Amino acid sequence: DIQMTQSPSTLSASVGDRVTITCRASQSISTWLAWYQQKPGKAPKLLISKASGLQSGVPSRFSGSGSGADFSLTISSLQPEDFATYYCQHYNGYPWTFGQGTKVEI
Amino acid sequence: HLVESGGVVVQPGGSLRLSCAASGFNFGNFAMHWVRQAPGKGLEWVSLITWNGRGTFYADSVKGRFTISRDNTKNSLYLQMKNLRTEDTALYYCAKADYDSGVDGDYYYMDVWGKGTTVTVSS
Repeated sequence: DIQMTQSPSTLSASVGDRVTITCRASQSISTWLAWYQQKPGKAPKLLISKASGLQSGVPSRFSGSGSGADFSLTISSLQPEDFATYYCQHYNGYPWTFGQGTKVEI
Repeated sequence: HLVESGGVVVQPGGSLRLSCAASGFNFGNFAMHWVRQAPGKGLEWVSLITWNGRGTFYADSVKGRFTISRDNTKNSLYLQMKNLRTEDTALYYCAKADYDSGVDGDYYYMDVWGKGTTVTVSS
């Protein structure tokens, strides 16, 4: 099984900061990587697919990059509504696995 | 739009069937996932079923105990859960599977999620 490792587990930041979350796969997954945002008590929301494909309606301050085994999610200017937990997930096939999550907090 | 139901408190060893009602898209055209989240923990993929129900996949943690199925005439997805364990306690989400096409097939991710239904396994 492919293991997904995110870092950091927790990230403390301020409004306006540029933040980057990294995600490493235990083997190459090409660009079959998605990023999700989850706020407390809410379902996850898809932000990015295929490593860098921003979903419709997602603000342009979010961006994804990477290929192979190393990926990142960047928020260019953190907004109050961005404080949440972020998960990467590979979809290079069965079984699908998620990273452990990165909590972005004030 | 996805709405899960069927989550309850059940004793270890018990059984349960979760349902997911879909609307707003052509349900029969899409594969579907179940994903769960234990209290205070991260996301864990549970199962996927192809659009026509002919292909099913399971996480090792539930293989042999859970069965995914669908009824495209009712726009509904199901998860039959048997021999439940305390570690199955979680919020269970259904999610629509969109896909990207690669040279050797389609690659599925989760693009629309329901709000989840809570399963508690406890004596």
